[in-house]
Formats: sequence, structure tokens, C-alpha cells
Amino acid sequence: EAGVAQSPRYKIIEKRQSVAFWCNPISGHATLYWYQQILGQGPKLLIQFQNNGVVDDSQLPKDRFSAERLKGVDSTLKIQPAKLEDSAVYLCASSSLQGDGNTIYFGEGSWLTVV
Amino acid sequence: QKEVEQNSGPLSVPEGAIASLNCTYSDRGSQSFFWYRQYSGKSPELIMSIYSNGDKEDGRFTAQLNKASQYVSLLIRDSQPSDSATYLCAVNNFNNNDMRFGAGTRLTVKP
Repeated sequence: EAGVAQSPRYKIIEKRQSVAFWCNPISGHATLYWYQQILGQGPKLLIQFQNNGVVDDSQLPKDRFSAERLKGVDSTLKIQPAKLEDSAVYLCASSSLQGDGNTIYFGEGSWLTVV
Repeated sequence: QKEVEQNSGPLSVPEGAIASLNCTYSDRGSQSFFWYRQYSGKSPELIMSIYSNGDKEDGRFTAQLNKASQYVSLLIRDSQPSDSATYLCAVNNFNNNDMRFGAGTRLTVKP
């Protein structure tokens, strides 16, 4: 079974530029998460989708971050304009609503450096 | 109050010893609990999950849950240098499938 796929793996941009990250969850997983993990900290939930609907985006900085999951499968996270403090790993994860107690599985992450 | 709290460490133990990692959580509605291991520069990987009060053993790992005290722990027996990593505690509320993570405890196992 293929895991959570993310791209790009690494991105360096200047502040005020924009960037987009893509995620393809495990096949059949209804729930998709985007986490931000700053070096030395635990993952912080940015947004959670169930199918193509948003369940929780309370910690998403909506003035600069946006995310969509139009067809209930792939998702895109965009940052525009980027700030220095956005430098972090952006982790996409997915989970099934059935069977394994809502265990979430992470992708390899997209590493963002804002200079 | 943070939703999920862990000691940041670092926790250092000698090879062969027992490493004990602790986590407390604030949401009494939490129903499932997870320990993830994260090596430097890598994404978190699941080690164990636990849903009921008591102990759950898997090889060298034992997870312990006490819902009344809102406390979950992970014991690593016969610690190995390869266990050196950051251990993340995660808590899930089934009502909204909302998974929250602690800041992680950095463990170093010295040969």
C-alpha cells in the first residue's frame, strides 16, 4: 500500500513570495491533515479535512495560508506571502475513519526555508 | 494550559536501561492515544496506540494509560542507541477525529 505522498520535499523562497505544497493521502483515507512543525517543536495542526469538507482550521493563519481538497483526495496548501517565521516542515497526514482507531500516517514532509 | 504536555528533555539513559516517557492531556473526551517516534530530519512514525486503561505491550515497548489521571506513558526496555530520537505523544478525540501532539521528548541512549 502506497503511503502519503508529498511534494516538493524542499523549497527555499524569499519572504513575501508564495509557495504551494501538494499531498496525496493513502488511498481510501477520508481524513487529511496539514501540520506545521517548527524545529524543536511538535506538529501543530493547521487544517483538517474530512473528504472535501473542512473539519478544523482554527489554527490556520487565514490571512496568508489557504488549503483546499477539491475532490476529496489530493490537497494543496498555499502560503502567500511567506514570512520568515513560516520556515518549518509541512507534514501532510491521513487517516481512515474505520478500523485502526483513527491512527494517522505521515508523509515525508515538505521542508520550507524562507530567507 | 497546553492540550498535550510532555517534558522536552533531553532524557539520557545508558544502553540496556529502561527509558520512561510521560505525557498528560487536558481533553477528558480523548479516546485514543498514540506514541510516535521522530528521528532527526524525518517524519513521525507510529510506535504504539492505546485506547483502554492499563498497559499494552509490544516487544520492548509498553504503553500505559490512566484516563482518570489524564496520563499516558511509554516505557522502552533494554534501550538501544537506535532508540535515540524524539518521542511524540498524540491524543485523539473521536468526536471530531482531531489529533493533537505534544512538543516531544528527546531521548538519547548512550552506548
